[in-house]
Amino acid sequence: DQQVKQNSPSLSVQEGRISILNCDYTNSMFDYFLWYKKYPAEGPTFLISISSIKDKNEDGRFTVFLNKSAKHLSLHIVPSQPGDSAVYFCAAIRAGNTGKLIFGQGTTLQVKP
Amino acid sequence: GAVVSQHPSRVICKSGTSVKIECRSLDFQATTMFWYRQFPKQSLMLMATSNEGSKATYEQGVEKDKFLINHASLTLSTLTVTSAHPEDSSFYICSARDQAIRQETQYFGPGTRLLVL
Repeated sequence: DQQVKQNSPSLSVQEGRISILNCDYTNSMFDYFLWYKKYPAEGPTFLISISSIKDKNEDGRFTVFLNKSAKHLSLHIVPSQPGDSAVYFCAAIRAGNTGKLIFGQGTTLQVKP
Repeated sequence: GAVVSQHPSRVICKSGTSVKIECRSLDFQATTMFWYRQFPKQSLMLMATSNEGSKATYEQGVEKDKFLINHASLTLSTLTVTSAHPEDSSFYICSARDQAIRQETQYFGPGTRLLVL
């Protein structure tokens, strides 16, 4: 049972344009969502998070949008840079579940110069 | 963000030996740490939750006698892969939460690549 899904395994965008990474979830009990960036053979790096009581959180070039009714969140990167090329994981936490992160499958982003 | 280290970064061992991997939170205290495993081109799979001063909580399908976890202090958790076999070869990653600030955010170590021959 895949509770957090990233249906696009890969995404390619041009440098300077917007990258939009999508994530869907099935469990309405999730109350906190996070995005991580990961390079091969390295641990994930925390990017940005959002609480379920909000619908938007912005940090520099990164913005996360949450649509609770659709159980959907997205990460926007503007403007995209070649250094953003990596695998992006969406993760969710359920309240009272000892902080266990449930990860999506990841989306590989390639930003072309 | 908070810093989490892992040691070693890479280890190659013979089948049947045991391997210990350390996870340290460098600038914060973590009463809870998590151990993940990642196979090539797959997502991170939680193996167990490491609790300081108490027994670890293992996910379904993870053998607790195979993957021994010790969380002896607020900054150190260890994962020991006992009697390692080639199928244990994987990328092992730990994470920790800073209890003093955003409880939900987990910070990850750089990972340990284990190759069992």
